[in-house]
Amino acid sequence: AQSVAQPEDQVNVAEGNPLTVKCTYSVSGNPYLFWYVQYPNRGLQFLLKYITGDNLVKGSYGFEAEFNKSQTSFHLKKPSALVSDSALYFCAVRDLDTGRRALTFGSGTRLQVQP
Amino acid sequence: EAQVTQNPRYLITVTGKKLTVTCSQNMNHEYMSWYRQDPGLGLRQIYYSMNVEVTDKGDVPEGYKVSRKEKRNFPLILESPSPNQTSLYFCASSLMGKSGANVLTFGAGSRLTVL
Repeated sequence: AQSVAQPEDQVNVAEGNPLTVKCTYSVSGNPYLFWYVQYPNRGLQFLLKYITGDNLVKGSYGFEAEFNKSQTSFHLKKPSALVSDSALYFCAVRDLDTGRRALTFGSGTRLQVQP
Repeated sequence: EAQVTQNPRYLITVTGKKLTVTCSQNMNHEYMSWYRQDPGLGLRQIYYSMNVEVTDKGDVPEGYKVSRKEKRNFPLILESPSPNQTSLYFCASSLMGKSGANVLTFGAGSRLTVL
């Protein structure tokens, strides 16, 4: 079975500082990994994904994520946080080898960026 | 504009009163899915559909029905709602593709309260 863990319910960071939102996953085969963001009263929006290739993936709004196979992690990062980055972030995984279509989502991490 | 439209956005109902949440997409996507979002649990898949007349259960299908008579529409039906179905519901769609790397486009969400 595939699963995702986001160990932090909330991350607080000051504007201008770097941010990291953690994600670890478990799959039996090879993973497709995704990050989505949810702003208040909105649906989820795609940020970035890892399929194959370079372990550092760049996405929207200056976000990037690093795939680490040995640590089964896919942490979301940004060098300099903005107040407008405050939102709920979800990591998701799909196991290629099972052929299962569903994405499994983590429980979400609320990012709060203080001015 | 490419989008997934859900209605109603907000609904308060009573136990046992049948209701339908509609979902429509204008992107000609084959794949459509319903999720529920609950605090601390992330998003859990209810049902999904890979094409017209093809539907299957997700992780939490009990108490729900779906249909896919047309490609663009994927309504979620609660035949006899109960208070444990109080939740935030999201419809999402994507192209199918063989790789599984397709990105989901989400609707804005439907907040349902069952009294």
